[in-house]
Amino acid sequence: QLQLQESGPGLVEPSETLSLTCSVSGGSISSTDSYWAWIRQPPGKGLQWIGSIHFTGKTFYSPSLRSRVTISIDTSKSQFSLKVNSVTATDTAVYYCARERTSTSFDWGQGTLVTVSS
Amino acid sequence: QSALTQPPSASGSPGQSVTISCTGTSSDVGGYNFVSWYQQHPGKAPKLIIFEVNKRPSGVPDRFSGSKSGNTASLTVSGLQAEDEADYYCSSHAVTNNAYVVFGAGTKLTVL
Repeated sequence: QLQLQESGPGLVEPSETLSLTCSVSGGSISSTDSYWAWIRQPPGKGLQWIGSIHFTGKTFYSPSLRSRVTISIDTSKSQFSLKVNSVTATDTAVYYCARERTSTSFDWGQGTLVTVSS
Repeated sequence: QSALTQPPSASGSPGQSVTISCTGTSSDVGGYNFVSWYQQHPGKAPKLIIFEVNKRPSGVPDRFSGSKSGNTASLTVSGLQAEDEADYYCSSHAVTNNAYVVFGAGTKLTVL
């Protein structure tokens, strides 16, 4: 059973960089048909796709976040990561990592709340 | 990049059927058969219930079904049960200058 677990600081100051890591277990992060995605949900609001990465390093990003987001992967640690630069209060959200195939998120982590505040 | 359009709310009585729509454009819903639907209960992570327009993952009851016509996809929940009360989100593969995934704003389904 594939499991994903998000980790990282729960509080980030405005203008700083938000950094999160997703640890993958119970399956191979180097699966050829899988992409590894980040999705967020502001409190009380809907889901927003951030981007995804293949184990080869190929990435796709949301057009609205592309300029501030970097997704990377470390296959040796079975982890992938998210960085969001220059955060503001609007980046406050529950951040989910997920396994994606054919633009579908099949398996999700439990999510982690990141609050942007001084 | 605009979110897919879903009605904010839907409702039905136990045993009834309800359909939730998801409208996009030819650059997303209408152009690709990669439409998915997710169910989310309060405080929980979303759960995939439909993928590639009309396919159900293992373990999802056949009361849930999906379809698509033109730029609009639909989720139908038949034989409504109390536990179906949740938020439902559609998503689609999309391409403008690059490929990405776009979600709908979500529909709150109430079982009366």
